Amino acid sequence: AQSVTQLGSHVSVSEGALVLLRCNYSSSVPPYLFWYVQYPNQGLQLLLKYTTGATLVKGINGFEAEFKKSETSFHLTKPSAHMSDAAEYFCAVSFTGNQFYFGTGTSLTVIP
Amino acid sequence: GAVVSQHPSWVICKSGTSVKIECRSLDFQATTMFWYRQFPKQSLMLMATSNEGSKATYEQGVEKDKFLINHASLTLSTLTVTSAHPEDSSFYICSASSGSGANVLTFGAGSRLTVL
Repeated sequence: AQSVTQLGSHVSVSEGALVLLRCNYSSSVPPYLFWYVQYPNQGLQLLLKYTTGATLVKGINGFEAEFKKSETSFHLTKPSAHMSDAAEYFCAVSFTGNQFYFGTGTSLTVIP
Repeated sequence: GAVVSQHPSWVICKSGTSVKIECRSLDFQATTMFWYRQFPKQSLMLMATSNEGSKATYEQGVEKDKFLINHASLTLSTLTVTSAHPEDSSFYICSASSGSGANVLTFGAGSRLTVL
């Protein structure tokens, strides 16, 4: 069975500090991997995705993530947090490109 | 880019009434659409997969008679919450896929349903 684990339901960082949101997946085959962001009362917006090729993926708003097959991880990072980054972040995996499995989400708080 | 429109964004209804939520792909044809339910501060729970021209596939535990899904065209899927009760109050989000492969799901902005 496939699963997605996001360690830490809440993460707080100071403005300008490094953002690190963790995501691990459980699967016998490497899936497609995604990070989505959700602002209050809104739908999900794609930050970045990994399908094949380069394991370091750059996304929007300065975010990037690295696929590490040996660690079955796809952690999301941003060098310097901005107040506007405060939101809910979801890691997701897919094997067909259609059906997605979401992690439980990580709420990011940015402290001024 | 691909845009999915969801309507209404907010709806309040009385217990026992039915509510319809629309999900439209505005600039692409969506062969498959997905309906999710999200409880406060929780992740998205896949309710059903809607395929154009065929019956929806419901996830285990989702009442198909309570949550009616229709995908009559390549740009429109509807979710009808029938005989709504307060426990049906939730945030409903649809997403659409235009094909197969490593396609990205495009999400609607969500519909918040409050049943009084």
